[in-house]
Amino acid sequence: DTGVSQDPRHKITKRGQNVTFRCDPISEHNRLYWYRQTLGQGPEFLTYFQNEAQLEKSRLLSDRFSAERPKGSFSTLEIQRTEQGDSAMYLCASSFRGSSTDTQYFGPGTRLTVL
Amino acid sequence: SQQGEEDPQALSIQEGENATMNCSYKTSINNLQWYRQNSGRGLVHLILIRSNEREKHSGRLRVTLDTSKKSSSLLITASRAADTASYFCATDGSGNTGKLIFGQGTTLQVKP
Repeated sequence: DTGVSQDPRHKITKRGQNVTFRCDPISEHNRLYWYRQTLGQGPEFLTYFQNEAQLEKSRLLSDRFSAERPKGSFSTLEIQRTEQGDSAMYLCASSFRGSSTDTQYFGPGTRLTVL
Repeated sequence: SQQGEEDPQALSIQEGENATMNCSYKTSINNLQWYRQNSGRGLVHLILIRSNEREKHSGRLRVTLDTSKKSSSLLITASRAADTASYFCATDGSGNTGKLIFGQGTTLQVKP
């Protein structure tokens, strides 16, 4: 257990539905990242926050995706009008910018299946 | 897109043997990290090596970094069945975002 939690762990939804995932980072960490991982591939960066500010978004993050981090604590990732291609593992990670290593600690992930 | 390439894609060894995995990347980096992922789980951080370091040890792990060749290797000595997992290298690029760019990973199977 790295101290980063994600909820839910699994989500099955029908195409066209909206889904929302939550990530709770390690409490003192000021950076929070979202990644997506498909089967047999390494994780791909989606977006990251420093405190409550979203500082970078990947071009992978289409208009159907939105992420928030109100008050710089937990974060949510919402996917609207899900498509089968959105099926993947969504990973959250947190780190403390300012530490000597800025190591990212990952949560267990949310596995999304879009039928 | 993925930055790194890992070699081999799959590795099967007997318990007690050493396992070596290689990673190549494309751009300048501040540091390179190795992670382990058990099937269907999140990633566990193993070791970080900075761009000005050439070798680093942590328990049964040894990591080398050659920035001139843009490559790194992870050696696991005296492997155990519990080491069975996928191993990923990740680089942070040379900027300050901290975002990680992962390779495709090496799947290691250690047979008891």
